[in-house]
Amino acid sequence: AQKVTQAQTEISVVEKEDVTLDCVYETRDTTYYLFWYKQPPSGELVFLIRRNSFDEQNEISGRYSWNFQKSTSSFNFTITASQVVDSAVYFCALSESGSGNTGKLIFGQGTTLQVKP
Amino acid sequence: EPEVTQTPSHQVTQMGQEVILRCVPISNHLYFYWYRQILGQKVEFLVSFYNNEISEKSEIFDDQFSVERPDGSNFTLKIRSTKLEDSAMYFCASLRDRNQPQHFGDGTRLSIL
Repeated sequence: AQKVTQAQTEISVVEKEDVTLDCVYETRDTTYYLFWYKQPPSGELVFLIRRNSFDEQNEISGRYSWNFQKSTSSFNFTITASQVVDSAVYFCALSESGSGNTGKLIFGQGTTLQVKP
Repeated sequence: EPEVTQTPSHQVTQMGQEVILRCVPISNHLYFYWYRQILGQKVEFLVSFYNNEISEKSEIFDDQFSVERPDGSNFTLKIRSTKLEDSAMYFCASLRDRNQPQHFGDGTRLSIL
């Protein structure tokens, strides 16, 4: 069965602090993709990153970085020097890519990040 | 950059009425999806559609729901007899290759009174 767990329901930080959002996943497939999406107060889903299960290299994009560890089935997301505009709900998601899979996304419960000035 | 377009942005409907949510996926995309997000909760998969038929549906997608791609450009979600618990944000998504990131529309907020 596929499952994504984001244990942190809400996180509050002060601007310029670093913050890490945790994501743990379960899947029986050996090939899969992991995603992070941002949902700002306006409600749309904004794609941030996709990671292939075969690629465990960490990725950095500006203030954002992602740590993928298959050994612990985790795909954590760190925002460095957080800003007020980072305030949003962040969703981790899983898509199994083996034969017969439809590409659907399974989302975690989301982490609400509040960055205070 | 091409976008997935959803209309209306907000739909208010009386309980028991039929509602149709509309989506225009990106033109060369082949895989289409509907998701639902009840206020304050996670995004949940409803149904996937490929090659003019449903490829997978969740337990949520019961007989009250149907999807259609009537004219090669629109992708619609119909709820036959709405219930209060159908109130949610409904997102449409599409992609060309099923292992690519899904492109989401901005959603339709459905309010059932």
